[in-house]
Amino acid sequence: KNEVEQSPQNLTAQEGEFITINCSYSVGISALHWLQQHPGGGIVSLFMLSSGKKKHGRLIATINIQEKHSSLHITASHPRDSAVYICAAKHNTDKLIFGTGTRLQVFP
Amino acid sequence: NAGVMQNPRHLVRRRGQEARLRCSPMKGHSHVYWYRQLPEEGLKFMVYLQKENIIDESGMPKERFSAEFPKEGPSILRIQQVVRGDSAAYFCASSPGGKPNSYNEQFFGPGTRLTVL
Repeated sequence: KNEVEQSPQNLTAQEGEFITINCSYSVGISALHWLQQHPGGGIVSLFMLSSGKKKHGRLIATINIQEKHSSLHITASHPRDSAVYICAAKHNTDKLIFGTGTRLQVFP
Repeated sequence: NAGVMQNPRHLVRRRGQEARLRCSPMKGHSHVYWYRQLPEEGLKFMVYLQKENIIDESGMPKERFSAEFPKEGPSILRIQQVVRGDSAAYFCASSPGGKPNSYNEQFFGPGTRLTVL
């Protein structure tokens, strides 16, 4: 069993839909990253959070430390949101342990 | 403030050659991390360095791979005698350091795509 699990693995949506991607982890962490990767592209850090909730534009990330669970929400989704979203648990030693990613496709 | 820089962006090597991948952290960042993404697989931690020190190399293959982060200049990931299985995207990230772990956000470079023929 992976230390960081994401669901779903693949997700398709119509433009405008509300999207949720889930992440569960089994290791002790100091923080959790949400990352975005476009095909063949680099990696962009969307959020790093250790408690509560953060919001940036149409993106919202929440974390529940007791339940070892985090969610990434996208409101009013758009085709340009199509990418792979990766959850990464920040180990106490500072290295990141990655989920396998969620491939999101948003159709017009 | 330039972001994390990596070069080259693409590198082609023949089996048995050496590959050198460079990473310049963001200005003011003293911590560097290397990650590898094999084709159709997720990202995996390789090594974590601070200036002139290797902090955690638990993800580095035991042979042929080495990393350094000298006092001056970029961090280097070196792969000797490359094999086809080394073909992957190698990402570098940097963080400021000097703060509790929960505040040390990592910022990623664009990656180096290594192809071994």
